[in-house]
Amino acid sequence: KAGVTQTPRYLIKTRGQQVTLSCSPISGHRSVSWYQQTPGQGLQFLFEYFSETQRNKGNFPGRFSGRQFSNSRSEMNVSTLELGDSALYLCASSLGTVPLEQYFGPGTRLTVT
Amino acid sequence: GENVEQHPSTLSVQEGDSAVIKCTYSDSASNYFPWYKQELGKRPQLIIDIRSNVGEKKDQRIAVTLNKTAKHFSLHITETQPEDSAVYFCAARATGGGNKLTFGTGTQLKVEL
Repeated sequence: KAGVTQTPRYLIKTRGQQVTLSCSPISGHRSVSWYQQTPGQGLQFLFEYFSETQRNKGNFPGRFSGRQFSNSRSEMNVSTLELGDSALYLCASSLGTVPLEQYFGPGTRLTVT
Repeated sequence: GENVEQHPSTLSVQEGDSAVIKCTYSDSASNYFPWYKQELGKRPQLIIDIRSNVGEKKDQRIAVTLNKTAKHFSLHITETQPEDSAVYFCAARATGGGNKLTFGTGTQLKVEL
């Protein structure tokens, strides 16, 4: 099976702009979780989508949003970008039920200038 | 919410020696504990996991132990090799939390020749 893919791999945006990141999970997986990775804060959970519904949400402002499509592909959107949003955004794919293993995509490196 | 502490933050061992990384969690409802290895510039890779109904699990040179009473779990790597050098993250998933993983802050393992 193909692994988790994310597009784009790199993005440079300016403050105030918005951005949309995409994640395609492993075939058959119905759950997609998004994480932000920064040197200072480590890996932090953003949200999880399962069967097109947000199942869980982390402690991020409302500027961070997401959605999932019927084919399980997921997108996350960040509006009104701030310098502090510069990070590696990782998505993780899983079946959504037992077993619980999550597999990460390569990430999207977002730089906000 | 769940809090995961990880120690040490850096660990240097000689090739062939053993390495141990320890994590503690706060939510007694947590029931799934994966470990990820992240090499520089790459995605986190699931290397082993353990569920709360199991005390120990081994996979070749790596093993994980769980003490539910003390809310501790540890990663053990034996006969370390240079290719084991990476950042290792522990994580915990709480029951009812969907697939949300709370991560430790990471351990930079360096295996020296």
